[in-house]
Amino acid sequence: DVKVTQSSRYLVKRTGEKVFLECVQDMDHENMFWYRQDPGLGLRLIYFSYDVKMKEKGDIPEGYSVSREKKERFSLILESASTNQTSMYLCASSLGGATDTQYFGPGTRLTVL
Amino acid sequence: QKEVEQDPGPLSVPEGAIVSLNCTYSNSAFQYFMWYRQYSRKGPELLMYTYSSGNKEDGRFTAQVDKSSKYISLFIRDSQPSDSATYLCAMDDLGGGSNYKLTFGKGTLLTVNP
Repeated sequence: DVKVTQSSRYLVKRTGEKVFLECVQDMDHENMFWYRQDPGLGLRLIYFSYDVKMKEKGDIPEGYSVSREKKERFSLILESASTNQTSMYLCASSLGGATDTQYFGPGTRLTVL
Repeated sequence: QKEVEQDPGPLSVPEGAIVSLNCTYSNSAFQYFMWYRQYSRKGPELLMYTYSSGNKEDGRFTAQVDKSSKYISLFIRDSQPSDSATYLCAMDDLGGGSNYKLTFGKGTLLTVNP
């Protein structure tokens, strides 16, 4: 079974803090993705990575950066957290092809106060 | 116009009902259509996928695609309380410039009452 794990289920941070969200997959997948999910807005892609050290911006990259130093690990960084970044953050991974299933982690509920 | 439109619901049905969930889309380049199911406090998981117009059946679930109308549906027969979840449609143009980006609908919250 594919397993995608995220470092925290719930996180509370203060405005201006630097926040790291970690995601690890155990199936040697090439692609990894970070989404945020908000009521009424659905799932929106922040960044994705198709190889180690490779990344591409998604639909809403502003205020975020990512790091992929190892194939199994994809980190999302909020350089200076703001209240409008309060959201559910979901990580996903897929094998490599366009039709390969995206497997999602359980999500991190981030609250920025 | 948004690329993918999905009625958010909520939809509440009695156990045993037939459920119809729908998405419309505007991008005629979409070729690959998926339905994800997301239980409360969990990540989405792939339920079904299809490439072409027509129907695809898997147990109590049927996915239907009408490319001429840019309309996809998911039917659930004999719905069960365990089907209560948010259902998200997703689409891909298979390399027409999207680089593996899926386009998701906003999801429909379904509750099946015992």
